Amino acid sequence: KQEVTQIPAALSVPEGENLVLNCSFTDSAIYNLQWFRQDPGKGLTSLLLIQSSQREQTSGRLNASLDKSSGRSTLYIAASQPGDSATYLCAVHLGANNLFFGTGTRLTVIP
Amino acid sequence: DGGITQSPKYLFRKEGQNVTLSCEQNLNHDAMYWYRQDPGQGLRLIYYSQIVNDFQKGDIAEGYSVSREKKESFPLTVTSAQKNPTAFYLCASSIDHWVGNQPQHFGDGTRLSIL
Repeated sequence: KQEVTQIPAALSVPEGENLVLNCSFTDSAIYNLQWFRQDPGKGLTSLLLIQSSQREQTSGRLNASLDKSSGRSTLYIAASQPGDSATYLCAVHLGANNLFFGTGTRLTVIP
Repeated sequence: DGGITQSPKYLFRKEGQNVTLSCEQNLNHDAMYWYRQDPGQGLRLIYYSQIVNDFQKGDIAEGYSVSREKKESFPLTVTSAQKNPTAFYLCASSIDHWVGNQPQHFGDGTRLSIL
């Protein structure tokens, strides 16, 4: 069964720092991988979706990479801001559009 | 604006009571999903629907029921058979269940607690 792991569970960084969030998955036969942001008590906001044939996707200060063969994805956040504080979740698609989620990384950006 | 609306935001259930969580979308999406989120755990799939009048069990369907009578609506009933219903419930939709390159869009969730 697919397992999705996100390490670390929590991360605190000073404002302005670049940072990387990690996601690993056990079954490399994924269709695509999606990164989400979740604010406390709120739903999920889709940040980036990487197709299995792609290596990376970029949106503004965010860059997500995908290495299927090693079962890893990273989310790079440049020049972090206090407004980036949230929980970041990765999820993988296996064929049909059922997502398997990691447990998330809670990010705090300190002003 | 198009989106997914979940109501209510907070819900309380008494012992032995069934409660229904509402999920409405105006994105014209065929597929809809219900997830449960518990502290320290990833989201887990309860039920999903590929199209109107169709729905399938997810990983943790026991104690829950759904219906899909209209394209825009996918209500979730938490029955008295669900012994640990306290959680944050999230509804999502996507254009097509079988097209894996379509992102899922989420509502703002309903927090269910036991009285």
